Amino acid sequence: DAGVIQSPRHEVTEMGQEVTLRCKPISGHNSLFWYRQTMMRGLELLIYFNNNVPIDDSGMPEDRFSAKMPNASFSTLKIQPSEPRDSAVYFCASSRRVGQPYNEQFFGPGTRLTVL
Amino acid sequence: DQQVKQNSPSLSVQEGRISILNCDYTNSMFDYFLWYKKYPAEGPTFLISISSIKDKNEDGRFTVFLNKSAKHLSLHIVPSQPGDSAVYFCAARPNQAGTALIFGKGTTLSVSS
Repeated sequence: DAGVIQSPRHEVTEMGQEVTLRCKPISGHNSLFWYRQTMMRGLELLIYFNNNVPIDDSGMPEDRFSAKMPNASFSTLKIQPSEPRDSAVYFCASSRRVGQPYNEQFFGPGTRLTVL
Repeated sequence: DQQVKQNSPSLSVQEGRISILNCDYTNSMFDYFLWYKKYPAEGPTFLISISSIKDKNEDGRFTVFLNKSAKHLSLHIVPSQPGDSAVYFCAARPNQAGTALIFGKGTTLSVSS
C-alpha cells in the first residue's frame, strides 16, 4: 500500500525561480496538509484541504506561496519567486477525516528545497 | 505565539534507561494529543496518542501521560533503545473534528549503547 508520495525529493534552485512541489495523498484520504520544517520554527502548517477545498491557508507565509488541489489524488505547492529564506524541508501529509477519532496524519518523505 | 511547546531541543539517554520527553500547551480547548517520531530523511510517523479525557495511554515501551491542570504531557520510553534515536514531535488537536494539528518544534533524542 503506497504511502504519501512527494516529488521531487530534492530541489536546488536559484533565487527568483519558480518552484513547484508535488504531492499524491494516500488513496481514500480526504484531508491533505502542507507543512514546512525549519530549525527555527519546527514543523509549521502552511495550508490544508478537506475534500480538495482549501480550509485554512493562514500559515502560508506570503503571496509568493500558492497551493492547489485539482483532484483528490494530487496537490501542488508553488513558490514564485523563490527566495533563499524559503530553504526548508516541505512535507505533505494526508488523513482520513471521517471515521477516525483522531487526526492521524500520514506524512510523505518530504522535499528538501535549497534556494541559492 | 506557540501553542505547543517542547522546551528541550535535545535529550541524551543511555540504552536501557528511561527517556522522558516533555510538552506543554497553552490552549485548554485541545482535545487530542499525539506524538510523532521522525528519522532523518523521512517524514514524521505517528507513535502514540491520548484523548483529553484520559490521563495515561500505554503502547508497549511507550507511555504518554497527560496532566490537564498543568497543560502538560510527557512521553516515556522504557527501556530506551538505540533505534529510538530520532526527533519526537508533540502535536495537539483543537476540539473540532477535521481541523489540522498544531506541532511543537521537536526534541531530538539520542540513545547511546
